[in-house]
Amino acid sequence: DAGVIQSPRHEVTEMGQEVTLRCKPISGHNSLFWYRQTMMRGLELLIYFNNNVPIDDSGMPEDRFSAKMPNASFSTLKIQPSEPRDSAVYFCASSSGGANTEAFFGQGTRLTVV
Amino acid sequence: RKEVEQDPGPFNVPEGATVAFNCTYSNSASQSFFWYRQDCRKEPKLLMSVYSSGNEDGRFTAQLNRASQYISLLIRDSKLSDSATYLCAVGNDYKLSFGAGTTVTVRA
Repeated sequence: DAGVIQSPRHEVTEMGQEVTLRCKPISGHNSLFWYRQTMMRGLELLIYFNNNVPIDDSGMPEDRFSAKMPNASFSTLKIQPSEPRDSAVYFCASSSGGANTEAFFGQGTRLTVV
Repeated sequence: RKEVEQDPGPFNVPEGATVAFNCTYSNSASQSFFWYRQDCRKEPKLLMSVYSSGNEDGRFTAQLNRASQYISLLIRDSKLSDSATYLCAVGNDYKLSFGAGTTVTVRA
């Protein structure tokens, strides 16, 4: 298995632009997490999907952020419009059993908003 | 109060030393506990799960103290390759929350 695949690996964009981050979870995993990591705040859970359904999006910072999971093999995290304070590493992770089993992380997308 | 808190360190230890650190969690109903390792600019990877009875994996020992709501990680005979940031993770149903990490540097 190729593991969790995220794209792009790096993204540099100008403030105000739309940014879309992509994630392909491990096949057969029914849980998908989006995290954001910064030096100041550590690893923050943004949203959790179970069987493609968003269960908890309370970690999404504001309405500029949205996430979708149209099928079991694909999820997106969109920021519109982007702001410099959104600069961070965004990780997608998947697991076979929610929070009670190992979560496998993708390599992350390093986002820089200038 | 943060859901999961860790001493950020850094812990700077010589090769062969023992280093230990804790992680506290606020939700007494938490069900699952893990230690992850994160190398610089890489993704977190599972180091070990933490079981109620405590568990050991080679030089690594993890303990869970439900009464005081903390988990611990002990590294014996530390190696240069153990230098990393160690993240604790606490799960409750669907939500997996991470601490900010404890940085360990092992020097020759």
